[in-house]
Amino acid sequence: NAGVTQTPKFRILKIGQSMTLQCTQDMNHNYMYWYRQDPGMGLKLIYYSVGAGITDKGEVPNGYNVSRSTTEDFPLRLELAAPSQTSVYFCASSSRAMRSYEQYFGPGTRLTVT
Amino acid sequence: AQKVTQAQTEISVVEKEDVTLDCVYETRDTTYYLFWYKQPPSGELVFLIRRNSFDEQNEISGRYSWNFQKSTSSFNFTITASQVVDSAVYFCALSEVDSGGSNYKLTFGKGTLLTVNP
Repeated sequence: NAGVTQTPKFRILKIGQSMTLQCTQDMNHNYMYWYRQDPGMGLKLIYYSVGAGITDKGEVPNGYNVSRSTTEDFPLRLELAAPSQTSVYFCASSSRAMRSYEQYFGPGTRLTVT
Repeated sequence: AQKVTQAQTEISVVEKEDVTLDCVYETRDTTYYLFWYKQPPSGELVFLIRRNSFDEQNEISGRYSWNFQKSTSSFNFTITASQVVDSAVYFCALSEVDSGGSNYKLTFGKGTLLTVNP
């Protein structure tokens, strides 16, 4: 199993550009999540999904969109990038079947908006 | 509302010292899970341990041990005989029960940066 994979690893965007951060998991997990990590601030939940076709907002959803058309994939879309979106983005997944709820994280995407 | 407090922003120790990382949480749920994650300098997040609210037994795994006390809402993490490779940011997290009774959303603390010097 590759676990949770994210692409790209690094990206520099200009203000106003858009991009999609890709996330794929091969563990057949129901739940998937997007977090951002700013220095010294821990992880903040952007969006999450409890299954294909179902998504919901987390703590900091503004400026982002998600979709979940398959169990495996959970892309995060940034529209009109702003410097405040400079951060490290982590995708994670967890299993309802296991009822253990620990989340498994991808390696992260470091995004800079200038 | 859920809250996780890691009051220690940074800790610095010398190799072979014991170190305890504190975690205090707030929740109204009667069933919940607590977690510790490690984030080494390479940046990935590594799951270390999960405890559920009904199991207050302390756990030991090699040099790592965890002390869960419901009475004080704390879930502290101790590293015995610390090593340079233990240098990392450590996050404590608390699960949240949704309307369907599942504990799948996590609230993270801000993390404690542990530096172990040789």
